[in-house]
Amino acid sequence: DAGVTQSPTHLIKTRGQQVTLRCSPKSGHDTVSWYQQALGQGPQFIFQYYEEEERQRGNFPDRFSGHQFPNYSSELNVNALLLGDSALYLCASSLGVGVYGYTFGSGTRLTVV
Amino acid sequence: GEDVEQSLFLSVREGDSSVINCTYTDSSSTYLYWYKQEPGAGLQLLTYIFSNMDMKQDQRLTVLLNKKDKHLSLRIADTQTGDSAIYFCAESKGTGGFKTIFGAGTRLFVKA
Repeated sequence: DAGVTQSPTHLIKTRGQQVTLRCSPKSGHDTVSWYQQALGQGPQFIFQYYEEEERQRGNFPDRFSGHQFPNYSSELNVNALLLGDSALYLCASSLGVGVYGYTFGSGTRLTVV
Repeated sequence: GEDVEQSLFLSVREGDSSVINCTYTDSSSTYLYWYKQEPGAGLQLLTYIFSNMDMKQDQRLTVLLNKKDKHLSLRIADTQTGDSAIYFCAESKGTGGFKTIFGAGTRLFVKA
């Protein structure tokens, strides 16, 4: 049983560019949450998707947007990249909102130069 | 407000017990979690506890919750070198929208 898969694993982008990160949730899970983890920090909540809608959002600007597809997979889009967007982006899936915790992917390491 | 605080580092000898502490500020937090992150990997859920519980034990792991002091701890018995990792405390509420907030993590070093 595949867990949460994220692609790509690593990515280098230039300031001002746009990026799309992808996530396939664990089989049987219907909710996807995205987190940003800067080096040496804990994960920061970006948003959560359920039934193809954004249900909760953290303190991130509108440059961060997402989408969930009917098969529960999800994308995270970041526009107008800043150097400060360099981080590990983690996707977490759950059945429902995640009362019993999340299953995390290994993340996408984004470097903005 | 939402804030989870943890000490940054803990060093123990192999075979000893490790105790990792966490404090949270939101008294309405209903669900609390411990996750483990190894280098280059995502987070792995270790255990969770609900606010109506005081203690939970799962093999070598014991979680203690003191709601009055908003304090959560994770005890790892017989700590092994494979337990070296970063441990994150996290909290969630069931009201006002469900989202999980993480602390900055405690880096556990296990010396052989």
